[in-house]
Amino acid sequence: QSALTQPASVSGSPGQSITISCTGTSSDVGGYNSVAWYQQHPDKAPKLVISEVSNRPSGVSNRFSGFKSGNTASLTISGLQADDEADYYCSSYTTTNTWVFGGGTKLSVL
Amino acid sequence: QVQLQQSGPGLVKPSQTLSLTCDISGDSVSRDTAAWNWIRQSPSRGLEWLGRTYYRSKWYDGYAVSVKSRITIKADTSKNQFSLQLNSVTPEDTAVYYCAREPKPTGEFDFWGQGTLVTVSS
Repeated sequence: QSALTQPASVSGSPGQSITISCTGTSSDVGGYNSVAWYQQHPDKAPKLVISEVSNRPSGVSNRFSGFKSGNTASLTISGLQADDEADYYCSSYTTTNTWVFGGGTKLSVL
Repeated sequence: QVQLQQSGPGLVKPSQTLSLTCDISGDSVSRDTAAWNWIRQSPSRGLEWLGRTYYRSKWYDGYAVSVKSRITIKADTSKNQFSLQLNSVTPEDTAVYYCAREPKPTGEFDFWGQGTLVTVSS
């Protein structure tokens, strides 16, 4: 199972919005509504910020939103804050009953 | 609040077995809608799902193709924990290993352990 494709890096200024894409296939992203997004700060465990394509877990800011169209999912962060600077990963369930992750995107808040 | 606490050695010799344990508090390893996963992270491989165990009237497991011949994930209901064993390790197995809860079928990983850096070296 190949990793999902994410841009290596994105950047934005405080207050702006950014979008991170996550591209897979019909065997993963396109086949299930089981796309999730994780935020990871240095030397910390990943933290779930979006589940099932667009659901925000309790306690996650409403500045985080998710969307999916076909084989591509996306994470949008609006009103960028300094603490949003982190690595972001997508994941998806697959038709082989396994999980696959994206390669990760480094978000810089300039 | 669910908490996952990992334990196990941080250094393993090549060809030996990597063993880690994940203690669960705030949930039950045998809850019949959850699954219990192991995931690792390295600079070369990124985040890599390794496998899971779950209870649906009986115990099931599932593994990534990349490690299927070498891995065992088991639950211990008496201790409310689950474990990872990875045999015949090589330096390429050096990574930070995480346990994580999947709260419902084909869901997401909502709670993670703190991570354990395992180095494979002689």
